[in-house]
Amino acid sequence: QVQLVQSGVEVKKPGSSVKVSCKASGGTFRNHVISWVRQAPGQGLEWMGGIIPIFATANYAQNFQGRVTMTADESTRTAYMELTSLRFEDTAIYYCARGAISGWYRAYFDLWGRGTLVIVSS
Amino acid sequence: DIVMTQSPDSLAVSLGERATINCTSSQSVFYSSNNKNYLAWYQQKPGQPPKLLIYWASSRESGVPDRFSGSGSGTEFSLSISSLQAEDVAVYYCQQYYSTLTFGQGTKVEIK
Repeated sequence: QVQLVQSGVEVKKPGSSVKVSCKASGGTFRNHVISWVRQAPGQGLEWMGGIIPIFATANYAQNFQGRVTMTADESTRTAYMELTSLRFEDTAIYYCARGAISGWYRAYFDLWGRGTLVIVSS
Repeated sequence: DIVMTQSPDSLAVSLGERATINCTSSQSVFYSSNNKNYLAWYQQKPGQPPKLLIYWASSRESGVPDRFSGSGSGTEFSLSISSLQAEDVAVYYCQQYYSTLTFGQGTKVEIK
């Protein structure tokens, strides 16, 4: 069964960085976009960007340009999302999600990780 | 970016009754070259990630009960639950993938 397994809870100080991982087990990985979507407490879903591992290039949402870096390691089937200059309002659950359409950045998501809680606190 | 607006924000429906959620996009998400609407619907239960229900506006994901259906085109879309079950209590989101991905604000469905 295909799964996206994410890393655990992170507690960070304002101004620091966090790097979250998302490991794919089974199924296709390299041809499908792995996107990152965050959800602040009690709030809706916000797309941050995505990367197609085989292309190794990422597409970022404008709100996160300059603060986010997405990478992928095909050998370990793991995608990463690093967010820098953390602010209190970055406290959220960060989900990785697989795009359902091979080779497309703009896609709906048929598989989601369980999420990684990132808490920004002084 | 395309703004997705859902209505209502919350909805209380009796068990067995129909629930309908609307989603309006600030510009069309219909691509004429392939005759497809780039619109998906998700269900999110507390403590869980979103789950895909509908894609291409009206195609049901494998394993999703047939009481869930999607309709609409262009800028106006709907998700209907024909006979609400207790396990359908959740927040529902629409998402467009025509351009830079955006989601609606969510609609909370409860039992009346």
